[in-house]
Order: sequence, then C-alpha cells, then structure tokens
Amino acid sequence: QVQLQESGPGLVKPSETLSLICTVSGGSISNFYWNWIRQPPGKGLEWIGYIYDSGSTKYNPSLKSRVTISVDTSKHQLSLRLSSVTAADTAVYFCARGGEDFWSGSPRDWGQGTLVTVSS
Amino acid sequence: DIQMTQSPSSLSASVGDRVTITCRASQTISNHLNWHQQKAGEAPELLIYDATNVQSGVPLRFSGSGSGTDFTLTISSLQPEDSATYYCQQSYSTPYTFGQGTTLKIK
Repeated sequence: QVQLQESGPGLVKPSETLSLICTVSGGSISNFYWNWIRQPPGKGLEWIGYIYDSGSTKYNPSLKSRVTISVDTSKHQLSLRLSSVTAADTAVYFCARGGEDFWSGSPRDWGQGTLVTVSS
Repeated sequence: DIQMTQSPSSLSASVGDRVTITCRASQTISNHLNWHQQKAGEAPELLIYDATNVQSGVPLRFSGSGSGTDFTLTISSLQPEDSATYYCQQSYSTPYTFGQGTTLKIK
C-alpha cells in the first residue's frame, strides 16, 4: 500500500516561495501521475497540477505562472514550489497519486496533508 | 474550466437511511467522475471512480451512477462512520475541478 507524506515549512512570509516535499513509500514513483491539491481552511478542494512520465507537467491555469512541480525518482520524492505567495495561498496542501494513464491520472491515493500559513 | 455543482450542500440523516447526493457538470464529461469522502480533520479518500466503480476497500453500501452531466452517489444504509463531507470531481479534462462539497451529518 503506497504511503505519501508531505513535509515543509508551516509558515511562509508573503511574497516568498512556498516549497513542499512529498515522500513516497511502499510503491513505485515511476509510471504514475502525481498530483498536488490544496484546501484553504474551512473551504473546498482545488487542484494545483500534476507531473507524469517523470517530467511532464500540467498546471491549473489559475496558478500556472507561479507553480513548479518536479520529481526526484532517486529519492522517491516529488516537490511543489509556489512563488510570490499571499494570504490567499494559506491552505492544507495534499499530494496524491493517480493512475498510470491519462484517464486515471486524477487523485486516488492521498497523503495526510500539511498546513501552510502565509503570514508575516 | 468545467464547473461541478453538488446538491444538497448539507444534509442530516439517520442510521439505516438511504442517502443520495447529486453532482452536475457544466458540460458533458462522459463517465469521468469521481467521489471522495473527507472526514473531519482528515485527508480525502477516493470512494468511487469513473462514475460507478467502487474503490478497493470501500464498503459496498456506497455506489455511484450517472454519465454525461448528471451523477449520483448513494449510501444504501447509512452508518455512523459515514459522517463526512463528500466531493465529486471531474477527470475529463484539466484543470480537474471539484464540487463544493456535501456535508453529511448523522441525526
């Protein structure tokens, strides 16, 4: 059973870059779609983007100019970088594994999430 | 972007009740519709994928139906542990989008 664990700073200053890591255990990191999703406190879910084929990416246009998703297969980790953050980026950030093809790429196995607060 | 609209936004039901939550897409999405359950303070979990397929390990009281633009999640006999918020999500095209959620409470 694959397990996903998000980690990173819980507090980021406005205008700085949010950086998170998702460590994958119990399964391969290759050949799957890997998603990032976020959830502001008390609100719904927003898809940020995914990476597949160890390098191809697709981002939500609402965040595209600020987001970078990458994967390090040797470390079994994927990463999320979100630049120029504001208070509106305060949220729980989840990584989630999808399937192995386009039609199954959306989130199937979720990490527990990590809260990131943007504040000075 | 494809807009997903759930109804109701919240509901309260008793143990043993049959519960139905609906989800409507702003355009046809074939069967590319997933349902996720999120209990308070926890991460979401996938319940149903491709509209009708029950994820491994999910109790068989959960079922999904629909295609095109209109979809339904049904709990055949509500259990106390089903208290949660339920989200539909389309995987027809990116950006993937979620419904606003339906909060289910047990009376």
